[in-house]
Amino acid sequence: EPEVTQTPSHQVTQMGQEVILRCVPISNHLYFYWYRQILGQKVEFLVSFYNNEISEKSEIFDDQFSVERPDGSNFTLKIRSTKLEDSAMYFCASSEKANTGELFFGEGSRLTVL
Amino acid sequence: AQSVSQHNHHVILSEAASLELGCNYSYGGTVNLFWYVQYPGQHLQLLLKYFSGDPLVKGIKGFEAEFIKSKFSFNLRKPSVQWSDTAEYFCAVTQRDSSYKLIFGSGTRLLVRP
Repeated sequence: EPEVTQTPSHQVTQMGQEVILRCVPISNHLYFYWYRQILGQKVEFLVSFYNNEISEKSEIFDDQFSVERPDGSNFTLKIRSTKLEDSAMYFCASSEKANTGELFFGEGSRLTVL
Repeated sequence: AQSVSQHNHHVILSEAASLELGCNYSYGGTVNLFWYVQYPGQHLQLLLKYFSGDPLVKGIKGFEAEFIKSKFSFNLRKPSVQWSDTAEYFCAVTQRDSSYKLIFGSGTRLLVRP
């Protein structure tokens, strides 16, 4: 069964450092997403991406964050200067169709900011 | 703002017991409703969904959910749980035709004792 893969599974970084989280969505999917879950809190939407541009973003997704699809397979989330409160599990997801909520999630990348 | 509430944070059942997990949402417009499940060490995956039509929807592994519009509820049920149902269950909502984002509840951890 096709799946969304994410790397790294766990990254530890110092506050202020840049972090790039990588995702390989399912190959025939056109819509891509990042969600995050701070420990003990809800899974929160960050951003959706379609046709090489952001289609929707949340208030959390400020100028510190950016997304990119640098080639035909990867979808990345960059945090420019990490803060302690960025520590969370970051989930990538993809979907074949828009606005159906039928997302396929990766296993997540745990980011720890020290 | 839209929100999703899950009433039970932790549920412990014995095998063969019946399960009902509550979910309420706050949004007056038309919504799509979902239950996602995350088994230990695995990614979030779709359990079932409701878009329109019969308000009683059936998903994988014997789960079902009932949409009651007047109560803004979408409770998950299973008549007889198994040890393998041990997982975290998330209710989620999208606003139909206006947004890409899934709004998640806080999740319910289910432990099924053999």
